[in-house]
Amino acid sequence: AQTVTQSQPEMSVQEAETVTLSCTYDTSENNYYLFWYKQPPSRQMILVIRQEAYKQQNATENRFSVNFQKAAKSFSLKISDSQLGDTAMYFCAFMKRNAGGTSYGKLTFGQGTILTVHP
Amino acid sequence: KAGVTQTPRYLIKTRGQQVTLSCSPISGHRSVSWYQQTPGQGLQFLFEYFSETQRNKGNFPGRFSGRQFSNSRSEMNVSTLELGDSALYLCASSEGDHYNEQFFGPGTRLTVL
Repeated sequence: AQTVTQSQPEMSVQEAETVTLSCTYDTSENNYYLFWYKQPPSRQMILVIRQEAYKQQNATENRFSVNFQKAAKSFSLKISDSQLGDTAMYFCAFMKRNAGGTSYGKLTFGQGTILTVHP
Repeated sequence: KAGVTQTPRYLIKTRGQQVTLSCSPISGHRSVSWYQQTPGQGLQFLFEYFSETQRNKGNFPGRFSGRQFSNSRSEMNVSTLELGDSALYLCASSEGDHYNEQFFGPGTRLTVL
């Protein structure tokens, strides 16, 4: 079984500054995906960024980037130039990748980090 | 394309009743996953359906069940409701063949009194 741990229940940052959210995970799997999801107060969960475990290069999506350390089982999210719209709950999540590239829809989530961006 | 829709958005039931929640995936998506979100337990995976077959199941009692129809719409049912079943129930759809991004619906807020 996999576990995902987010040790920061709450974080805050000033607008335009940079913030890093932490995530560690535990698994015996070698092939998997890692994700950061954002859940704004309106409750619709949105994918922020995805990392495939076999790729050493860290994923980047505009202002969002990750620091993926496979050996340490660490997967942190860096948000640069924070904006008020980044205020949300952020979830780190794990998905096993089955042989053949399938994944049977099961995301294992961390407990979440509430991020507040202040003007 | 229209996003994932869930009905109803809010539901109030009493202990012992049963409830059925519905999820309509994005057009063309064949996989639907269900999650329960509570303040105490966080987000937990319930089950996943693909082409009308349950492919994966989480650690929930048998009171929680689901099904998927030929048009990929999915329903989940909870029988003999308990207070602890109060939660936000989220469904997510994906294309389903290999890894595909899961797109989440807005959720159904279930309150059990």
